[in-house]
Amino acid sequence: AQKVTQAQTEISVVEKEDVTLDCVYETRDTTYYLFWYKQPPSGELVFLIRRNSFDEQNEISGRYSWNFQKSTSSFNFTITASQVVDSAVYFCALPSGSARQLTFGSGTQLTVLP
Amino acid sequence: EAGVAQSPRYKIIEKRQSVAFWCNPISGHATLYWYQQILGQGPKLLIQFQNNGVVDDSQLPKDRFSAERLKGVDSTLKIQPAKLEDSAVYLCASSLGASRQTQYFGPGTRLLVL
Repeated sequence: AQKVTQAQTEISVVEKEDVTLDCVYETRDTTYYLFWYKQPPSGELVFLIRRNSFDEQNEISGRYSWNFQKSTSSFNFTITASQVVDSAVYFCALPSGSARQLTFGSGTQLTVLP
Repeated sequence: EAGVAQSPRYKIIEKRQSVAFWCNPISGHATLYWYQQILGQGPKLLIQFQNNGVVDDSQLPKDRFSAERLKGVDSTLKIQPAKLEDSAVYLCASSLGASRQTQYFGPGTRLLVL
């Protein structure tokens, strides 16, 4: 069965610090996608990134970067120079089942203090 | 491009009452999902539609929950009768197709059952 583990329940940093959010997954699929979503206090889940299991290159988008390591089944997310607006719950997710619905981790609450 | 629309945003009802939520997906998106998110947890799929057909409703408590997408566009999720444990955020998402496509989420409906 598919499983996503986000061991960090809550993280608190001071503005401008770098922070890494961990995601470990289990899957029997040989090819798969992995996702990160952001959920600000407003409640809407905002899509951040989708990665294909074929592509293990790190990806950078502005202050965001993702490190995908198939050997350790991890897909970690780093925010560089964090800002107060980055405060949110971040979810890692993996499609599962014949219908490819998303299996989410339990989320990491990130608080960036001014 | 307009995002996924949901209404109402908030609803408070008493147990044993009924409630309905509405979702309008992104234009052209064939696949529509309803997720339930209990406080402190990741979203969990309730039901998935492909056009106007049900793809997966294995996690839908069918004794009290029902959903329809009659014309393959907007969808309604109903709870009747509601229980205290139904208090959650109900998220609607849509994607172009089911297989490995990115899901885009609406703002959600926060339900409180008293």
